Amino acid sequence: SAVISQKPSRDICQRGTSLTIQCQVDSQVTMMFWYRQQPGQSLTLIATANQGSEATYESGFVIDKFPISRPNLTFSTLTVSNMSPEDSSIYLCSVVSDRKETQYFGPGTRLLVL
Amino acid sequence: DAKTTQPNSMESNEEEPVHLPCNHSTISGTDYIHWYRQLPSQGPEYVIHGLTSNVNNRMASLAIAEDRKSSTLILHRATLRDAAVYYCILREGEYGNKLVFGAGTILRVKS
Repeated sequence: SAVISQKPSRDICQRGTSLTIQCQVDSQVTMMFWYRQQPGQSLTLIATANQGSEATYESGFVIDKFPISRPNLTFSTLTVSNMSPEDSSIYLCSVVSDRKETQYFGPGTRLLVL
Repeated sequence: DAKTTQPNSMESNEEEPVHLPCNHSTISGTDYIHWYRQLPSQGPEYVIHGLTSNVNNRMASLAIAEDRKSSTLILHRATLRDAAVYYCILREGEYGNKLVFGAGTILRVKS
């Protein structure tokens, strides 16, 4: 199993500013994912972040808006840039288990943009 | 990504079995059927997965139709702690990469 922590757990931000969300895993993992969950909705995959390579973004998400860093096998950051109220969501970090058959999810970062 | 269809919501009584259906008529031969659930204010957690045969673990059972176009997640004795959103997801290969979530089924458990 993998234990994932995220910082901050929640934040309230002003429009036009940026927020960097940190994801820390208690073991080394190759594959890491960032998801967004808008209020009352399901999860939407933002990007896949593998260590040593550029993040791969899903349709509708771009690097300028959601830059991602993956400096090592236990850590990643997602930045939400130039925020607007539409970015108010829960952002979740996720990793794949060693056997790759199970994904583990962090507790999420609740973001409110005013 | 192959699509799944689930009822929007279901209700169950505590300590009774719950059968959560999922239709996936466009499933391919290499797609594994995964179930995750999301408890209130938490990230999703793995429940069970399978390919063709029925599967059991400590949390639930997964019954897969012979033609694999549908499956059912079975909670043998629902508790209040099982109230969550249950997601049925098709993932290519057992050791595939990303999970693509659908809308899921909101399960309400009555005491």
